[in-house]
Amino acid sequence: GAVVSQHPSWVICKSGTSVKIECRSLDFQATTMFWYRQFPKQSLMLMATSNEGSKATYEQGVEKDKFLINHASLTLSTLTVTSAHPEDSSFYICSARENPGGLYPTEAFFGQGTRLTVV
Amino acid sequence: GENVEQHPSTLSVQEGDSAVIKCTYSDSASNYFPWYKQELGKGPQLIIDIRSNVGEKKDQRIAVTLNKTAKHFSLHITETQPEDSAVYFCAANGRTGRRALTFGSGTRLQVQP
Repeated sequence: GAVVSQHPSWVICKSGTSVKIECRSLDFQATTMFWYRQFPKQSLMLMATSNEGSKATYEQGVEKDKFLINHASLTLSTLTVTSAHPEDSSFYICSARENPGGLYPTEAFFGQGTRLTVV
Repeated sequence: GENVEQHPSTLSVQEGDSAVIKCTYSDSASNYFPWYKQELGKGPQLIIDIRSNVGEKKDQRIAVTLNKTAKHFSLHITETQPEDSAVYFCAANGRTGRRALTFGSGTRLQVQP
C-alpha cells in the first residue's frame, strides 16, 4: 500500500523553541493532508486539514499561530509547533489520502507519528 | 459534526476466542468506515474498511458489519492471537467534503496466551 513518512519520529526541545515536523507521501500525490494529535491512552483528535497551495483549515480550539502548517507541494506538509511549552508535549500524527474523485473516500494512510517532548 | 462512540474501552480474551468491538456514528451522511490497529508508539494501520453500500466485509480472520439504519458498525476478529493485542480505533468520514476521519475512543485488546 501507499506510504506516508513522518519525520522525526521523536524530538525533545526546550520551552520557547520551535519544532518542525515533516509529513511526506512517498508514492502518491495528496492535495490534502491531515494533522492529528494524540495524548496518552486517548484517541486521535484532528488538529487541522492541510491544503496544498492554500491556507490550512484548523479545528475549533486549535491555535493557528501556534501550530503553523505549510503544504508547499503535493507530497509534503509540515507542522511547526512555535514557542513550544510542556503542555504541547504529545504524539503528533499526519495522514494523507490519494486525491479522491469518486463518491467514496479512498483509504487514509498514516505516518508513524512524532513524539514531541518539551522540557 | 460527526461523533463516533466506541465500546468497550478494554477487552481481554483468551487466545483462539473471538473479539467484537462496536461503534456508533451520528452523521447519516457518513459513507466510509475504516478500522485501524495502533501499536504502542506507532501510527494507526488500516486493517479493514467498509463503504455504506455494503453490509459486511471479510478479510481472513477479520470482518466488519455495518447497519446504516441503526448507524452502527462492528469489528469481528476470530481465532485471536497474541499478536492481535493492540489498540483498535473505528472511524467515520462524516459529511462529504470534510475528508478527515473522526475516530472513536479506542479499544485496548489484550489476547491472553
